[in-house]
Amino acid sequence: SQQGEEDPQALSIQEGENATMNCSYKTSINNLQWYRQNSGRGLVHLILIRSNEREKHSGRLRVTLDTSKKSSSLLITASRAADTASYFCATDGSGGANSKLTFGKGITLSVRP
Amino acid sequence: DTEVTQTPKHLVMGMTNKKSLKCEQHMGHRAMYWYKQKAKKPPELMFVYSYEKLSINESVPSRFSPECPNSSLLNLHLHALQPEDSALYLCASSHSGMGNYEQYFGPGTRLTVT
Repeated sequence: SQQGEEDPQALSIQEGENATMNCSYKTSINNLQWYRQNSGRGLVHLILIRSNEREKHSGRLRVTLDTSKKSSSLLITASRAADTASYFCATDGSGGANSKLTFGKGITLSVRP
Repeated sequence: DTEVTQTPKHLVMGMTNKKSLKCEQHMGHRAMYWYKQKAKKPPELMFVYSYEKLSINESVPSRFSPECPNSSLLNLHLHALQPEDSALYLCASSHSGMGNYEQYFGPGTRLTVT
């Protein structure tokens, strides 16, 4: 079953603006990850936030995690045309040694030059 | 070297063909994965190998047969596929088989079954 659910499904912004994407999930997790996928290519890992962390930064990326609301947000600041891609959140489901990642449906971000 | 390589990039095969997809990583990762991704959908996990042993098979039809010859290589053998099996097949690796580690993905093999 799909764990993460991103919101919105699609987002179109102007270059230089900030982009905020949200992810909600259903069950307890050990960590939540965000990935980016350019059209027809492999996924690129962006950031991993553990269940005991509330906020994490990496360059122009800021991720928050609210385990009480079972939600996470990804903020991309000062967006660039090169940020145009699909973004997926993925959760591990707090399973044991064989816990797997389950990906949300994804958000399509378009950054207009 | 943080790269996962996949060959071939594109593959067209008939329903009676037998072909193989290959994946390689040299990051010392002990977990490797096969995912299937249809257009505009998220990746769907097919198989997980952990320490060269198959640890997860997500009820994948037997016409897909994974193989892990060693810790760096992962193959997916294809036989008697159906047109609905056409998709992007992604290989990934991670430090271990747990979801606690980020996964590194290859560029994928675009498979078309005719």
